[in-house]
Amino acid sequence: NAGVTQTPKFRILKIGQSMTLQCAQDMNHNYMYWYRQDPGMGLKLIYYSVGAGITDKGEVPNGYNVSRSTTEDFPLRLELAAPSQTSVYFCASSYSKGGSSYNSPLHFGNGTRLTVT
Amino acid sequence: DAKTTQPPSMDCAEGRAANLPCNHSTISGNEYVYWYRQIHSQGPQYIIHGLKNNETNEMASLIITEDRKSSTLILPHATLRDTAVYYCIVRGPPGGTSYGKLTFGQGTILTVHP
Repeated sequence: NAGVTQTPKFRILKIGQSMTLQCAQDMNHNYMYWYRQDPGMGLKLIYYSVGAGITDKGEVPNGYNVSRSTTEDFPLRLELAAPSQTSVYFCASSYSKGGSSYNSPLHFGNGTRLTVT
Repeated sequence: DAKTTQPPSMDCAEGRAANLPCNHSTISGNEYVYWYRQIHSQGPQYIIHGLKNNETNEMASLIITEDRKSSTLILPHATLRDTAVYYCIVRGPPGGTSYGKLTFGQGTILTVHP
């Protein structure tokens, strides 16, 4: 298993440009998450998804959009990039069994380092 | 989700046990204590988790007090590669409003010295 794969690893955007950060997992996890981490800070949740076709906002969703058309993929879209979106973006996935309290640990990718200038 | 309090930094000598404390006084009965670490801005790495019993795996031990208001992560023989930021996180069950997500605080910077 490759686990959680994020592409690209690095990207520099100009203000106002758009891009999509890719995230794929091969563990058949139903839950997926996008976090951002600013320098010296902890991770903050942007969006999450509990299954294909179902997404919801986290703590800091403004300026981002997501979609979940398959179990494996959870892309994060940045529209009209701003310097405040300079950050490291982490995707994660986990498995939760419906109707029970079972919740596997989150598995994280190695991140995409984005700079907006 | 309950919030946690951790010391901002700790030091440990190589080969000695590293004991990282965490307070979570508002934890609910169905919330788990999770520990992750992050090395050099890589993706966070899962270490261990528990509900109320002490837990041990190949990486670490987790000691949870009987009232569940605090816990300690123990790295039994710290190495230089254990230098990282360690996050203690209280995680709710799946479903409801938390959907099993992790809420990260500032964590503890553990520095292991030769």
